[in-house]
Amino acid sequence: EAGVAQSPRYKIIEKRQSVAFWCNPISGHATLYWYQQILGQGPKLLIQFQNNGVVDDSQLPKDRFSAERLKGVDSTLKIQPAKLEDSAVYLCASSLVDGATNEKLFFGSGTQLSVL
Amino acid sequence: GQQVMQIPQYQHVQEGEDFTTYCNSSTTLSNIQWYKQRPGGHPVFLIQLVKSGEVKKQKRLTFQFGEAKKNSSLHITATQTTDVGTYFCAGPKRNTPLVFGKGTRLSVIA
Repeated sequence: EAGVAQSPRYKIIEKRQSVAFWCNPISGHATLYWYQQILGQGPKLLIQFQNNGVVDDSQLPKDRFSAERLKGVDSTLKIQPAKLEDSAVYLCASSLVDGATNEKLFFGSGTQLSVL
Repeated sequence: GQQVMQIPQYQHVQEGEDFTTYCNSSTTLSNIQWYKQRPGGHPVFLIQLVKSGEVKKQKRLTFQFGEAKKNSSLHITATQTTDVGTYFCAGPKRNTPLVFGKGTRLSVIA
């Protein structure tokens, strides 16, 4: 079974520039997550989608970050404009949802963003 | 907001020694999950514990969920170099997304 696909793998930009990340979850997984992982820390949830609806975006810095999952499959995460503190690995994860307690997450390889 | 605390932050062991990491929450968790992240890699699911007092084993790994469902532990017996990585616990309150701890980074000296 194919895993969660993310691109690009690495991105280097200057502060105040824009950047976008793409994620294709595992086929059939209704729930998609974007996490930010700063070096030496655990993943921090930015946004959770179920199908194409937002379940939780309480920790998304909405003044600069946006995400969409228009057809309930692929998702993009955008940062505009980027700040130095946005340097991190951006992880996409997906899970099946069957209405029970939280499902295990399958993570992609992530996009490592460096803001100079 | 909800926090999941992990200790220790780092652990260096000789190959063959045992290793334990602890996870504590200030609130009751509906379940707890454990993930392993190899250096340069992404988190990979290890196990989920749901019941109070639950104990599960995977070869040399033993996972426990506390009676009050506020703490958990991961114990590795006779560590090997393949165990190197960061181990994260993650727990939700009811109907909320997973919150990850900061992880315990394990180094194994051959």
